[in-house]
Amino acid sequence: AQSVTQLGSHVSVSEGALVLLRCNYSSSVPPYLFWYVQYPNQGLQLLLKYTTGATLVKGINGFEAEFKKSETSFHLTKPSAHMSDAAEYFCAVSNSGNTPLVFGKGTRLSVIA
Amino acid sequence: DARVTQTPRHKVTEMGQEVTMRCQPILGHNTVFWYRQTMMQGLELLAYFRNRAPLDDSGMPKDRFSAEMPDATLATLKIQPSEPRDSAVYFCASGMGVGGTDTQYFGPGTRLTVL
Repeated sequence: AQSVTQLGSHVSVSEGALVLLRCNYSSSVPPYLFWYVQYPNQGLQLLLKYTTGATLVKGINGFEAEFKKSETSFHLTKPSAHMSDAAEYFCAVSNSGNTPLVFGKGTRLSVIA
Repeated sequence: DARVTQTPRHKVTEMGQEVTMRCQPILGHNTVFWYRQTMMQGLELLAYFRNRAPLDDSGMPKDRFSAEMPDATLATLKIQPSEPRDSAVYFCASGMGVGGTDTQYFGPGTRLTVL
């Protein structure tokens, strides 16, 4: 079975500060890892994904994540937070890109002016 | 700009009523997922289909929920009878089913309130 733990249900940062959202996973097979963002009253939008190959993955809106197998982690970062980054962020794991996603509980990011 | 569409966007109903939610996957996508989002449980899989055939519906309460794909352009999720605990946001997602590099694209969701 697969599972995802997102540390911190709510993270608050100042505009321009580093964003770090933590994600740890558990998987008995090589994982496929995803970060999705959800704005209020909207669906989920893919930020980035790790399948195979390069462990540092770059996504949209300046976000990136690094797959660390030894730490079973896939933390999301962005060097400088913008007000428009305020949203809910979900980390997810699956066996491949076309099998069901197992989501973490989500982290709500607030950006303070 | 191809998108997954879901109808209705909002539904308020009374306990015991039948609810039908519809999803139109992106044209050409052969894999459809239904997820439910609640405050308590978060996002969880209800069912998914590939080439219109159900592959996994273990997340659905079988006595009241049913999911079908009448054709490649329509997926439906029905609840009969509905209960207050079914109040949630129901998301449909679709993918091309090409394997590891695939991406699931989510619809805007149906927000269901059962009184």
